[in-house]
Amino acid sequence: KQEVTQIPAALSVPEGENLVLNCSFTDSAIYNLQWFRQDPGKGLTSLLLIQSSQREQTSGRLNASLDKSSGRSTLYIAASQPGDSATYLCAVRRRGSNYKLTFGKGTLLTVNP
Amino acid sequence: DTAVSQTPKYLVTQMGNDKSIKCEQNLGHDTMYWYKQDSKKFLKIMFSYNNKELIINETVPNRFSPKSPDKAHLNLHINSLELGDSAVYFCASSQEGQGRDTQYFGPGTRLTVL
Repeated sequence: KQEVTQIPAALSVPEGENLVLNCSFTDSAIYNLQWFRQDPGKGLTSLLLIQSSQREQTSGRLNASLDKSSGRSTLYIAASQPGDSATYLCAVRRRGSNYKLTFGKGTLLTVNP
Repeated sequence: DTAVSQTPKYLVTQMGNDKSIKCEQNLGHDTMYWYKQDSKKFLKIMFSYNNKELIINETVPNRFSPKSPDKAHLNLHINSLELGDSAVYFCASSQEGQGRDTQYFGPGTRLTVL
């Protein structure tokens, strides 16, 4: 059974800092991994999707890496801004899982002005 | 121009009632999902439909019944509501294959059972 863990559960940083969010998963037989953002009272917004054959994906100030063998992914946010404050969720889709995503519990990020 | 929409946004009801939540996507996707996010913010898949066919049915009580009248719609009907059903329910959709299988989520329906 796939389990996804995110560390830390909460993170508070001053504006302008670079930061790293961590995600680990127990079953390395994954199809892809997605990072989402959830704002309070809102739905999820997909940030980056990494296929199992890829090592990283970049979008603007965001960079996500994937190391299947160690069961880890990181989300790097450069030059953080108050608008980045949200909960960041990691989700893994296992090979042959019929589209099922297994989510971590998220990291609550607060960027202070 | 909303991609995935859900109605209602809030639903407050008494125990024992039957209620439905509707979901529509205008992305032309062939797969739709229902997720439940509990009070601890943990998000878990409930159902998935691909081309109107049920492909994922997690260990959800049979009081929950999804209905997919067409590829663009996936509704969730809940019978005999219980206190533990209080949660936020999210609908999502995706298009499989060719690396385009990002899941797009609706805004959520907050269900409160009194």
